[in-house]
Amino acid sequence: DTAVSQTPKYLVTQMGNDKSIKCEQNLGHDTMYWYKQDSKKFLKIMFSYNNKELIINETVPNRFSPKSPDKAHLNLHINSLELGDSAVYFCASSHLEAVPETQYFGPGTRLLVL
Amino acid sequence: GEDVEQSLFLSVREGDSSVINCTYTDSSSTYLYWYKQEPGAGLQLLTYIFSNMDMKQDQRLTVLLNKKDKHLSLRIADTQTGDSAIYFCAETLYSSASKIIFGSGTRLSIRP
Repeated sequence: DTAVSQTPKYLVTQMGNDKSIKCEQNLGHDTMYWYKQDSKKFLKIMFSYNNKELIINETVPNRFSPKSPDKAHLNLHINSLELGDSAVYFCASSHLEAVPETQYFGPGTRLLVL
Repeated sequence: GEDVEQSLFLSVREGDSSVINCTYTDSSSTYLYWYKQEPGAGLQLLTYIFSNMDMKQDQRLTVLLNKKDKHLSLRIADTQTGDSAIYFCAETLYSSASKIIFGSGTRLSIRP
């Protein structure tokens, strides 16, 4: 009965590789997010999708491409991985019209680029 | 601009009260939140307060909001070892309801 799930939980890869992280929510929410948390625990939003449409796109390199095949899924594909991409990536979901619009977070994907 | 600031560390004795402080810059905040992140886990919403409220109490948690000073605090009464975590202050803005801006997080450690 996991609410927001992410796979994989850990990802270790070499510089230059391409990798994907998957996120699924079973809460019936219409909005999903990707956040990046660096080694100092700073948490920054990267992308947000509402009903499969991109609504937030912060300054993120083109190497990062989100894809939302349906409202319950938001995947993150990263091309040409760099050392600085090492971080924990959190997926979250919410119902946009809820008051307040509470975001529910997944457990995170720990990415290490060597 | 959008900025949420917190002190990075707080250490309290078990059984004492913990007070975690946060300041924000944008006066158009609609909701302010406290999230808790335990080691190796995602963020969990603890509580929230609407910007026209001054205080909200929920069991051991008390949230105080001083809108004039743009200051938010979270008080945890009778702090237990299970309260050890990083606590994030966050806000949503009137102009962008779906975007949450997080503070840097305060790491709370409990000493016996």
